Amino acid sequence: QVQLQESGPGLVKPSETLSLTCTVSGGSVSSGSYYWSWIRQPPGKGLEWIAYIYYSGTTDYNPSLKSRVTISVDTSKNQFSLKLSSVTAADTAVYYCARADYSMRFDPWGQGTLVTVSS
Amino acid sequence: QSVLTQPPSVSGAPGQRVTISCTGSSSNIGANYDVHWYQQLPGTAPKLLVYGYSNRPSGVPDRFSGSKSGTSASLAITGLQAEDEADYYCQSFDSSLSGYVFGAGTKVSVL
Repeated sequence: QVQLQESGPGLVKPSETLSLTCTVSGGSVSSGSYYWSWIRQPPGKGLEWIAYIYYSGTTDYNPSLKSRVTISVDTSKNQFSLKLSSVTAADTAVYYCARADYSMRFDPWGQGTLVTVSS
Repeated sequence: QSVLTQPPSVSGAPGQRVTISCTGSSSNIGANYDVHWYQQLPGTAPKLLVYGYSNRPSGVPDRFSGSKSGTSASLAITGLQAEDEADYYCQSFDSSLSGYVFGAGTKVSVL
């Protein structure tokens, strides 16, 4: 079955850019049936949808983060990535990648990676 | 503060039935956008529990059921078990915010 795995630095300095990659195994990001997504969860808090990308490059972003977020897909590596610029301590969170279908049900999820914003 | 309102916590004794509400508005649940539910066990990633209001993915016990009425959705857990202690989140789309939104989550405790 499809599995997703996040990777990237666990510590980012304020004002810098957070960069994460999600590697997909057991399935293809080129599948026309799915949207590849990022979701985050600050420590002890709830879930926040960040963005999704379709294999064709079509994207959608959370309006509250849109000015700082870029999502991209690399079909040759079967990966998709997230960049969040100008980070502050408020961006400290566990970042999850997930697959979504047309109804935007997120399944499955990666295990998540904690990114701390601190100098 | 989420546009989908969930109670912070619910609790019940083993074997009992508990329900978790997810109250929205005419720009999300009331507009007939799909509602999905997730279970997050401590220290783990969320897992899809119910989708499209009332459908269960393969492997999810039928003790979990979802429903919708008007601008609200609900998740019911019958025959509560100790392993059901977790956080539960509802999720939908909100047209006013133009994005996918989650409820703030409900912690289920088994007494």
